[in-house]
Formats: sequence, C-alpha cells, structure tokens
Amino acid sequence: KNEVEQSPQNLTAQEGEFITINCSYSVGISALHWLQQHPGGGIVSLFMLSSGKKKHGRLIATINIQEKHSSLHITASHPRDSAVYICAATRPRYMNRDDKIIFGKGTRLHILP
Amino acid sequence: ETGVTQSPTHLIKTRGQQVTLRCSSQSGHNTVSWYQQALGQGPQFIFQYYREEENGRGNFPPRFSGLQFPNYSSELNVNALELDDSALYLCASSSYRAEAFFGQGTRLTVV
Repeated sequence: KNEVEQSPQNLTAQEGEFITINCSYSVGISALHWLQQHPGGGIVSLFMLSSGKKKHGRLIATINIQEKHSSLHITASHPRDSAVYICAATRPRYMNRDDKIIFGKGTRLHILP
Repeated sequence: ETGVTQSPTHLIKTRGQQVTLRCSSQSGHNTVSWYQQALGQGPQFIFQYYREEENGRGNFPPRFSGLQFPNYSSELNVNALELDDSALYLCASSSYRAEAFFGQGTRLTVV
C-alpha cells in the first residue's frame, strides 16, 4: 500500500462541474503539496499546505491533519483544467534521512467542453 | 512561483549518449532531491544531495550520478542513455525546517 493514495485515478467531467480530488496519507508529514502537470508539460506547484484551507482563483485545497486527508477542489471547471494532479507529502527531516517527499500516483482529469 | 529552476526544459538525446540536467535551489535551501517520472507513473526518487554530499539514493543504477555545488545548485548526470530513460526529471529543493519547492522539470526524450 502506498503511503500516499489518491482518488480517483481518472476523472472525466463536463465543463462547469465542481471537481474534487482526494489524497490520503498514512505517514507523519510536515506539509502536503498539490501539483499540476499538463500533457507533455512540466510540473506546476499549485498549493503547499500544512493546515486548513487555501484558495487560488477557482482552485481550493483543504487538509485535515487529524484524518490525514487532503482535497483539491476545482470550481466551474474548464477544459484547460485537464491535466494530471499529483499530491505529494513532505516528511519531517528527523523521521526520514532521505526520500523526504512521497508522491501519489496522480489523478488524470479530463474536462469535456 | 518558486525559485527552483531546471534547465533545459526539454531535451532530445540519442541512445548511448550522456546528459546533464541542472537544478538551481531555492535561496536558503541546502538540499536538492531528484526524481524521475516515467510516462503514466508517479515520480520515483533517484537521490538526494545535502551540503554537497549524496544523502540517500533510490533504486537507480550507477550511471545516474549527481553533484551539488557550494551554492547548493545541483546536476543530474546520466551516462549511456537508454530508451527507458525517457521521462520527466524533477528536482525539489528543501532545507531542515523549510518546506520543499519544486522545479518545473526537464523532459528528456531518448531516441
């Protein structure tokens, strides 16, 4: 079992729909990142959060430390939101000498016009 | 926007060649980690450099090597390139008690 699990693996939705991508982790973390990767493109950091909620435009990220769960929401989704969304957990240095960042396998989102 | 920059952004190499990828670290960070993301996979840990020394390594052969410089920027070198080395190479810079920042990645294609 991966230490960082994302769901769903694939998601297809109509333009305008509200999207939720979930990330659960089983390790102690210092922060959780949400990353975006367009097809054939590089990585874009969307959010880094260690508690509560952050919002940037139509994107909202939340984290519940007690439940070890984070969600990424997209409001009024648009075809340009189609990408792979990856959650990544950073572990405190004292807990792990190396491999400090643990990645989920990604959620492939496709928004239909 | 982070201060972590990777270069080049895209690269095409021929099988058997050697390649060097570069990563600048965020100001104040002394650790750089490298990851390989093959098509359709999650990023896999290659190695980490801390204060110019290798500080851990994933399951990658010795032809993957690295360097970290006094300014904490880093290079990833891959010798004898194979087709399966085609991937996005991602670096992340961090420091004790400071969070990780990601570069945008270098997309390497081996033909």
